[in-house]
Amino acid sequence: EVQLVESGGGLVQPGGSLRLSCTASGFTLSSQWMSWVRQAPGKGLEWVANIDNDGSNKNYVDSVKGRFTISRDSAKNSLYLEMNNLRPEDTAVYYCAAEEGPWGQGTLVTVSS
Amino acid sequence: EIVLTQSPGILSLSPGERATLSCRASQTVSNNYLAWFQQRPGQAPRLLIYGASTRATGIPDRFSGSGSGTDFTLTISRLEPEDFAVYYCQQYGRAPDTFGPGTKVDIK
Repeated sequence: EVQLVESGGGLVQPGGSLRLSCTASGFTLSSQWMSWVRQAPGKGLEWVANIDNDGSNKNYVDSVKGRFTISRDSAKNSLYLEMNNLRPEDTAVYYCAAEEGPWGQGTLVTVSS
Repeated sequence: EIVLTQSPGILSLSPGERATLSCRASQTVSNNYLAWFQQRPGQAPRLLIYGASTRATGIPDRFSGSGSGTDFTLTISRLEPEDFAVYYCQQYGRAPDTFGPGTKVDIK
């Protein structure tokens, strides 16, 4: 069974950091571009960042540039999102997503004092 | 950035009816890299269609995608009770990837 499982979410104060992880089973992450997509409470979907098959190309939405870093580890079949200087507006469920494939179930990040 | 506009915002239909959802892009979508997702309440989005017209694994054939360039359509031939949900389109042909605001299909 193909499965993507995110972890690492939680409650963090403004200015804090979190590292999200996405681990795949039944699916090879390096076979596709991979993205992080977020959804604020009651809102639509917002693409955050993506990375190509070998990790050499990365793109970010303007609102997270300089604060978030996407990376992947093919040996661990995992995707990561390092999030620094978090703001309340970063509060959302974060999904790991293959460009033309499966999505995870999401992990909630709450930025609040 | 490519802006996606979805219409209508809400589509009220009965089970068994045909649903036609539209997604219009502000610029040409490269290589027709346009995807459609379904999201039911409390669930993660599910990929339905990619490359404008290719059904994802396990998606019933009542779902079909069409279009090219700037105009795309998702058609659900006969609505089943589980199809009442929110549908999003996404372009992934040019960074930054972008999503449309969604169309809610609800029961009439």
